[in-house]
Amino acid sequence: LAKTTQPISMDSYEGQEVNITCSHNNIATNDYITWYQQFPSQGPRFIIQGYKTKVTNEVASLFIPADRKSSTLSLPRVSLSDTAVYYCLVGVQEAGTALIFGKGTTLSVSS
Amino acid sequence: EAGVAQSPRYKIIEKRQSVAFWCNPISGHATLYWYQQILGQGPKLLIQFQNNGVVDDSQLPKDRFSAERLKGVDSTLKIQPAKLEDSAVYLCASSLTGWSERHTGELFFGEGSRLTVL
Repeated sequence: LAKTTQPISMDSYEGQEVNITCSHNNIATNDYITWYQQFPSQGPRFIIQGYKTKVTNEVASLFIPADRKSSTLSLPRVSLSDTAVYYCLVGVQEAGTALIFGKGTTLSVSS
Repeated sequence: EAGVAQSPRYKIIEKRQSVAFWCNPISGHATLYWYQQILGQGPKLLIQFQNNGVVDDSQLPKDRFSAERLKGVDSTLKIQPAKLEDSAVYLCASSLTGWSERHTGELFFGEGSRLTVL
C-alpha cells in the first residue's frame, strides 16, 4: 500500500474551514483515497472516499489533483465536535480489504 | 442497523495473566478484523478473517495471541500470558466481502476493548 504523510496536528476555531492535506507520492493506478475519523474512546469511522477530482458528501469534501499524489480533506465550518484524529489511507478499496493506518492528524477545535 | 459489538469495554489485569475479548460483527459481514491501537498511534492490524478462515495473521504475536471465529460469525481474541506492552485498545471491525452497492470497502468498527496490563 502507498505510504501517506499528513500533519501530526492542526488547530482551528469553531466556524472555520479546515483543510488537511495528505501526501501519497507512490499512489498506484488502482488505489483509492479514503479518510477515516476517530473520536476518543471510539473506533474509526468512514468519512469520504475518492479516486480523482472532487468528492463531496454531507460531512466533508475531498479534493484530488490530476496527478493524485496528494489529497485534501476539507471540513466546512468546524465545530467543537469535529475534534478528532483524521486518517488518510490509500489502497485498493475492494470490499474485504484490510486497512493500514498511519498516525493520523489530530485536529483540535476551540471556541 | 446494529453496529459491531465488543466486550468487555475495559479490562485490567496483571502481567502474565490471560484475557479474552469478544466481537460480534454486523449481520451479513463476512470479513472480520482485529486491530490493536496503542495510545497515540493508529490502529495496527492483528488478524483478518473471511468467514471462519484466516486471511492474514502476519502481525499477530502467535506466541501469546490467538483468535478464532467459529461458525463465521462472532470472534474471540485471547492474550496469554499478557505483557505490559499489550496495554492498548483492541478494535474489532467488519466489512462486506464481494460486490456491494457502495463498493467502497468500508470497515465498520466497534467501540473497542481497552486493556490495561499492570
